[in-house]
Amino acid sequence: DIQMTQSPSAMSASVGDRVTITCRASQGVNNYIAWLQQKPGEAPKRLIYSTSRLHSGVPSRFSGSGSGTKFTLTISSLQPEDFATYYCLQHSVDPYTFGQGTKLEIK
Amino acid sequence: EAQLLESGGGLVQPGGSLRLSCTASGLTFRQYPISWVRQAPGKGLEWVSGLSGSGDTTYYADSVKGRFTISRDNSKSTLYLQMNSLRAEDTAIYYCAKDPLYDPTGKNAFDIWGRGTTVTVSS
Repeated sequence: DIQMTQSPSAMSASVGDRVTITCRASQGVNNYIAWLQQKPGEAPKRLIYSTSRLHSGVPSRFSGSGSGTKFTLTISSLQPEDFATYYCLQHSVDPYTFGQGTKLEIK
Repeated sequence: EAQLLESGGGLVQPGGSLRLSCTASGLTFRQYPISWVRQAPGKGLEWVSGLSGSGDTTYYADSVKGRFTISRDNSKSTLYLQMNSLRAEDTAIYYCAKDPLYDPTGKNAFDIWGRGTTVTVSS
């Protein structure tokens, strides 16, 4: 199985900060990486697909990048509604695997 | 607007069975592979199982293989998850979501999720 190692597991930041979350895959994933956001009591929502493509309706402050085995999600200027948990997901190979999650809290 | 809605969760004893349903609206259901993903209390997301649009290709996580069976009825726009020999560690919220099987663009990768249904395995 492909292991997805996500870091950090938690972080605190302020409104307006630039934030970067990283996922490393244990092997190549053909850029089949998605990023999801989940708020307490809600289902996950997709932000990014295929490493860098923005899901419809997602603000442009969210961006994804990477290649090979290292991928990043960047939020260019944090807004109050961005405080949530973020997950990466590889869907290159069955079984699909998620990162452990990054809980983003208000500083 | 495309939507998925899960149902069928509940409290079941260890060793028992439960069948979950995921009903779609606003999309041509038979065209899309669908997966089940679960989330144990306070934990992260775990992919469980997926099924092609035609129903002829199934895939499972090792943790559920041999105990869970995924199926679909395209005439009812509904996906199922039959869960047998349930264990305490199967306790979770179960979500259904669109699956990217056979989609080289990744555009269908987990873009639509249901709200989830809660399964509790306890005596």
